[in-house]
Amino acid sequence: SAVISQKPSRDICQRGTSLTIQCQVDSQVTMMFWYRQQPGQSLTLIATANQGSEATYESGFVIDKFPISRPNLTFSTLTVSNMSPEDSSIYLCSVGQNNQPQHFGDGTRLSIL
Amino acid sequence: GENVEQHPSTLSVQEGDSAVIKCTYSDSASNYFPWYKQELGKGPQLIIDIRSNVGEKKDQRIAVTLNKTAKHFSLHITETQPEDSAVYFCAASSLLGANNLFFGTGTRLTVIP
Repeated sequence: SAVISQKPSRDICQRGTSLTIQCQVDSQVTMMFWYRQQPGQSLTLIATANQGSEATYESGFVIDKFPISRPNLTFSTLTVSNMSPEDSSIYLCSVGQNNQPQHFGDGTRLSIL
Repeated sequence: GENVEQHPSTLSVQEGDSAVIKCTYSDSASNYFPWYKQELGKGPQLIIDIRSNVGEKKDQRIAVTLNKTAKHFSLHITETQPEDSAVYFCAASSLLGANNLFFGTGTRLTVIP
């Protein structure tokens, strides 16, 4: 399966600031997804990162808060904007191909003070 | 949309015993059901998956069963070992790989040596 690298692995940020998380895959993949995992909770899909076009956001998530880029088939970024303590979560990148399971990176652990 | 329920939320077993985790789903269009294991500080790792045209799948000590009529599927771990201790998530999707995964709420499994 693809090797997925996320940076940073963790960060502590001040409220009101923004952080960009990077996801790099070692091979071209069709689909890239961004998930949020709140403390002790399950995973919720934020959006599907589409190569060359705007991301597709799930209900409850908006582009102004979570802008996403996907310039090519191996790389995507998620920005968490104007952060508040409620944004403290693990943010996970996953990748998928048609007829192949999704695989996850190790996530970015984000704490907002 | 899809709703996946998972039980129990916590499970403790003695080493060598079996562990069973159960999930139900609501959307009859779901046809792909993966199980992920998440260790502390790591992203979810796929351990086994099953498609709706199969009733059971086994991989060494791990097996998954699916009852499509009743809309439930289960993870069975036999001869548990301390390294099996982790949080396990079930998920459901209507399109393998290239679609949203709807996750259960997770089961924290503790294997007592």
